[in-house]
Amino acid sequence: QAQLVQSGAEMKEPGASVKLSCKASGYTFSDYNIHWVRQAPGQSLEWMGRITAGSGNTRYSQNFQDRVTFTRDTSATTVYMEVISLRSEDTAVYYCARLQTPLILAAAFDIWGQGTMVTVSS
Amino acid sequence: DIVMTQSPDSLAVSLGERATINCKSSQSVIDSSTNKKCLAWYQQKTGQPPKLLIFSASSRESGVPDRFSGSGSGTDFTLTISSLQAEDVAVYYCHQYYSGQWTFGQGTKVEIK
Repeated sequence: QAQLVQSGAEMKEPGASVKLSCKASGYTFSDYNIHWVRQAPGQSLEWMGRITAGSGNTRYSQNFQDRVTFTRDTSATTVYMEVISLRSEDTAVYYCARLQTPLILAAAFDIWGQGTMVTVSS
Repeated sequence: DIVMTQSPDSLAVSLGERATINCKSSQSVIDSSTNKKCLAWYQQKTGQPPKLLIFSASSRESGVPDRFSGSGSGTDFTLTISSLQAEDVAVYYCHQYYSGQWTFGQGTKVEIK
């Protein structure tokens, strides 16, 4: 069955960068957009942006577009997110999520990764 | 950005009773070209990722119990749990995927009274 498996927890100092991975399996990787959503402790969900797995086209939330980069490796069926210039407010669980409908831009998220906890602290 | 406001922030309901959660968007989330309502509901249990319950405002995701239902249009949407079960204790989020900048509600915590 379709699933997304994310990389393990990270602990970083302020100012550092982090690169997270999200490996897809059980479906045709290039047919679905992958989005990234983060959740700070005790807070709601915050959309960060998406990458079209087939073309590599990206769209970023205005809140993150200067510090976040999405890439993908089609041979590895893996999507990556790099965040630079980390600050304490970036401490959160980061999720990748797949759109439920292939080859379209707008739909709900039907498959979520398990999440990656990123802690930013000196 | 479209702001999604849920009410209430929390509610306590007796087992077997109805739970109703509201979600209001700051502007319409209906795609006029397709008439599609770009609104979803998720359930998140502690320590788990969100789980899709409802999409297109009223379509139930495969495998979701039929006690969960969604309704609404324009800017006002509702998630109803017709008969609350113990396993429904969770935080529920609405989500709009209409605008290019997607947004979520602040969440509603559902507990057993």
